[in-house]
Amino acid sequence: SQQGEEDPQALSIQEGENATMNCSYKTSINNLQWYRQNSGRGLVHLILIRSNEREKHSGRLRVTLDTSKKSSSLLITASRAADTASYFCATEQGGSEKLVFGKGTKLTVNP
Amino acid sequence: EAGVVQSPRYKIIEKKQPVAFWCNPISGHNTLYWYLQNLGQGPELLIRYENEEAVDDSQLPKDRFSAERLKGVDSTLKIQPAELGDSAVYLCASSLQGIMGDEQFFGPGTRLTVL
Repeated sequence: SQQGEEDPQALSIQEGENATMNCSYKTSINNLQWYRQNSGRGLVHLILIRSNEREKHSGRLRVTLDTSKKSSSLLITASRAADTASYFCATEQGGSEKLVFGKGTKLTVNP
Repeated sequence: EAGVVQSPRYKIIEKKQPVAFWCNPISGHNTLYWYLQNLGQGPELLIRYENEEAVDDSQLPKDRFSAERLKGVDSTLKIQPAELGDSAVYLCASSLQGIMGDEQFFGPGTRLTVL
């Protein structure tokens, strides 16, 4: 079963615009991670945010976490065509090192 | 540093045939994972190894799926016999220790088509 639900399922933007993806989950978590998957490739880890953190930055990525709402958002600023990919949130639940992935958001950045 | 290696990249078989996938994790990574990814879905864990021990195989359909990780390095995932519904991408991942917050590194996957 999948814990996270990404929203929207698909997003199409122009190069240079910002892209925001949201993730909601159901149970308490230790941390939440975001992964990127290019077409036909494996997943690449982008960023991890712990349950006691509210915001984290890495380059053009900004992740927020609201544990009271059980939700997280991933913001990609100044998007590039190379950012075209599917983005997945994955939660590591309390008492387990198991990662549970959502269904992903498919992002298309048009040049 | 080489990443996680998987082979084959693609496999097409007839239903009821056996199939095997191979994974070589990143050198020094103790934890190895096999995931199943259906089209339009996120990966779902099938089995997790700590060295050569399977520590979580609760999602592995044991009537037809089996896995092994001899000597705690390479791993093989087998399906026998394959069914139409097994068509999916099988991903292998590894991490250094498998502890909370450990980054998982994924291979490119094996795309299985069962006809």
